[in-house]
Amino acid sequence: NAGVTQTPKFRILKIGQSMTLQCAQDMNHNYMYWYRQDPGMGLKLIYYSVGAGITDKGEVPNGYNVSRSTTEDFPLRLELAAPSQTSVYFCASSYRDSSYEQYFGPGTRLTVT
Amino acid sequence: GENVEQHPSTLSVQEGDSAVIKCTYSDSASNYFPWYKQELGKRPQLIIDIRSNVGEKKDQRIAVTLNKTAKHFSLHITETQPEDSAVYFCAASQTGANNLFFGTGTRLTVIP
Repeated sequence: NAGVTQTPKFRILKIGQSMTLQCAQDMNHNYMYWYRQDPGMGLKLIYYSVGAGITDKGEVPNGYNVSRSTTEDFPLRLELAAPSQTSVYFCASSYRDSSYEQYFGPGTRLTVT
Repeated sequence: GENVEQHPSTLSVQEGDSAVIKCTYSDSASNYFPWYKQELGKRPQLIIDIRSNVGEKKDQRIAVTLNKTAKHFSLHITETQPEDSAVYFCAASQTGANNLFFGTGTRLTVIP
C-alpha cells in the first residue's frame, strides 16, 4: 500500500493564481481530511469528507474548496491565492471518524508571493 | 469549539533522561486524546492514544496519562534517545466527531 499520497511536494504561486493540491489514499478509508500547518503552530482542519460525494467545512475553510467524487481522491482547490495561504498542507485519512488514527500524507509546501 | 493548549513549546533533555509534555483541553465532551510525532520535514504519525475510559496507557518507553476532572493529559517518554528528537503534538476529539483539535506542538531535543 502506498498509503496517503500528495502532489506536488512544493509549489510557488503568485497572488491571485489558482491551483489544486492532489490527495489520494489506497486504504479504502471513508474519512479524509485537509489540514494546514503554519510555522510553530498545530494543524488546523480546512475541510473533511466522510465519503464520496460528502464534504464539509472545518475550522479554516475560507479561500478553499474541495470535492470527493471517489473514495480514493480528495483534491483541495485554491481559487485566488493570497500570502496568508502560505503554509504546509497535509491530507489525511482514517477508517472512521476523528477518534480513529489518522494517516497523513507527506505534505505540500506552498508559498504565495 | 475545543481548545487544546500544550506546554512546553521547546524541551531539551540529556539522553537517558525522561521527558514530559502536558496538554489541557476545554471541552468536557472530548473523549479521545492522541499524540502525534513529527520528525523534521516528515508527516505526523500517531505514537500513542488514550480514551477517556482509562487513566493511563503505556507502550514500551512512552506513556500517556489522563485526568478527566482537571481536563489535562500528558505524554511521558522515559530513557530518551536521540531518535526521539521531533515535534510532538497532542490532540483532542470526540467519538463520532470529524474535527481533531491539535495543540501547538513541543519541539523535543535529546542531547547525546
